[in-house]
Amino acid sequence: DGGITQSPKYLFRKEGQNVTLSCEQNLNHDAMYWYRQDPGQGLRLIYYSQIVNDFQKGDIAEGYSVSREKKESFPLTVTSAQKNPTAFYLCASSMSVVGYTFGSGTRLTVV
Amino acid sequence: GQSLEQPSEVTAVEGAIVQINCTYQTSGFYGLSWYQQHDGGAPTFLSYNGLDGLEETGRFSSFLSRSDSYGYLLLQELQMKDSASYFCAPLNRDDKIIFGKGTRLHILP
Repeated sequence: DGGITQSPKYLFRKEGQNVTLSCEQNLNHDAMYWYRQDPGQGLRLIYYSQIVNDFQKGDIAEGYSVSREKKESFPLTVTSAQKNPTAFYLCASSMSVVGYTFGSGTRLTVV
Repeated sequence: GQSLEQPSEVTAVEGAIVQINCTYQTSGFYGLSWYQQHDGGAPTFLSYNGLDGLEETGRFSSFLSRSDSYGYLLLQELQMKDSASYFCAPLNRDDKIIFGKGTRLHILP
């Protein structure tokens, strides 16, 4: 079955560490996105990529980095420069902008 | 600039009908999508309106009025499983979807 997979489901990070969240899709979608969701809040766009080897900053890119070396993969690195990284991170992909398919998310906690 | 407004919470009774309104302001508007998100889960796509009017998908319908920058999601025959957050999500010319804070729908038995 086609889908989008995020791993791990839960992630704990010590302050000052970088961590990488995985996002893989086998839907053959061109575009991929990373969102951050804080409790009781909406989704804020971190980075997006519409084609391999190209990506753009979203509204809250500071403290994050991404790569898009393969169509199927769009990993997100939360760097130590991100001062408040505890959040629910959602990856999405789409063939057209009409409807996104989301992964099940990674809940990151700084300890 | 861009803005998006929808009620933060709505409460309805099981079996009833509820309407969740959305007003938006964004440059280069293409259309309006709706997503559902259960607590702790991922958003799932519900519907899309590219043209004015009503789109119906089972118990859910969505409406768009471009001239009023307004849309709504209508849920009929409410079930307890419909308790979730609902996001209206305008699409703009940059091919990006804008998500607001969503509307939390509470269903009472």
